[in-house]
Order: sequence, then structure tokens, then C-alpha cells
Amino acid sequence: AQTVTQSQPEMSVQEAETVTLSCTYDTSESDYYLFWYKQPPSRQMILVIRQEAYKQQNATENRFSVNFQKAAKSFSLKISDSQLGDAAMYFCAYRDSGGSNYKLTFGKGTLLTVNP
Amino acid sequence: DAGITQSPRHKVTETGTPVTLRCHQTENHRYMYWYRQDPGHGLRLIHYSYGVKDTDKGEVSDGYSVSRSKTEDFLLTLESATSSQTSVYFCAISKGTLAETQYFGPGTRLLVL
Repeated sequence: AQTVTQSQPEMSVQEAETVTLSCTYDTSESDYYLFWYKQPPSRQMILVIRQEAYKQQNATENRFSVNFQKAAKSFSLKISDSQLGDAAMYFCAYRDSGGSNYKLTFGKGTLLTVNP
Repeated sequence: DAGITQSPRHKVTETGTPVTLRCHQTENHRYMYWYRQDPGHGLRLIHYSYGVKDTDKGEVSDGYSVSRSKTEDFLLTLESATSSQTSVYFCAISKGTLAETQYFGPGTRLLVL
């Protein structure tokens, strides 16, 4: 079974600085998808960024980018120019590309604090 | 915004009472999911649906049943609520070429006393 590990339960960053959140996963599949979701205090789950395993290029969405290392099974999220609104719980998630079960497997989350 | 609503948004109930949570979507997506979120566990899949009347179990399905009689509605029922089912429940839909990306509703907070 696939597992997703977020080794940093909590992180903090100064406003305008850069922070990197770590995620590792375990799978025997060669094709899959990886995601980062943000959950602010409102509890809404918001998709931040996604990465297809067959793409070597790292995904980028404005101030958010990933470092996808397929051989190492690592998928870290970099937030540049951190803003107060980035404070949230961040979840890494994995999904197989095929099969009949389309479930996401989530890590346990990293709580990000942004200090003014 | 993926056009997903959940009702109720908050509910307090007593042990042994049946409870039904509703997920409604407006964009005609084929796949729908129910997750629960508990401290220290992230989100875990309860049940999912791949079409009208087509459902399957997730990893934490015991004590839950689902129904999908219309594309837009996916219902989660706790037949006899227990305190261990106190949680936040999220509905999700899949979008994308291979329905690979999930988008979530606002969640329902359920407290079972």
C-alpha cells in the first residue's frame, strides 16, 4: 500500500522569506500523481499544486513550486515570498494513475506559521 | 470553486442516532468521495462513487453506508452514530482528463455525544 510521510509536524517562516515543506512517499508504481493541499483555519481544503510523475519538469504555481525527485520518492513544496495568508496546514497527497480506486493517500500534514 | 456544497455544515447528535450527510455538486462530475479528517490522521477515504448507484468502500468504511441516486448528490449515512465517528467529513469530486485531481467541499463538523 502506498504511504505518504510528512516528517515536519510544524514549520515557521518569516514573512517574505522562503520555506520548504518535505514529503516522501512509498509506491511500487511508475505512474502516479502528487498533490499539495492547503487547509487554512477555515478548514477548506484548497489545491495548491499538482505534479504528474511522468513529467520531469517541476510544477510551479506563482509563489509555489515543487522539487520532485522521482528516484528518491521525494516531493517537497517551496513557498517563496511567504505571506501571512500562507499560514495553514499543508497536506501532501498521492494518487495512482490507473486502476479502479481513485483514492488519495494523504500525509498527516505540516502546520505552517508565518511570522510578521 | 468546484461547485460542491455539504449539508449540514455542523451537527451535534447522540450516540445511537442515525445521521445522514449530504454532498451536492453542480458540475455533473462522475466521481465523488467521502473522507473523514481526524487529528493525527490526515484525511482518510470512507466511500467513493464512480457513477449513479455505483459505489465502493474506502479504508475506513465500517459503520458507514452511502447512496447515489442522482449524479449531483452523494449521501453518507451513519446508521447508528458512535462517539468514534465524531470528526470532520469532507466530500470531494474529481476533475481532469483522467479524473486525477480532487476538489473538496467545505466540510461538515459532526459531534456525537
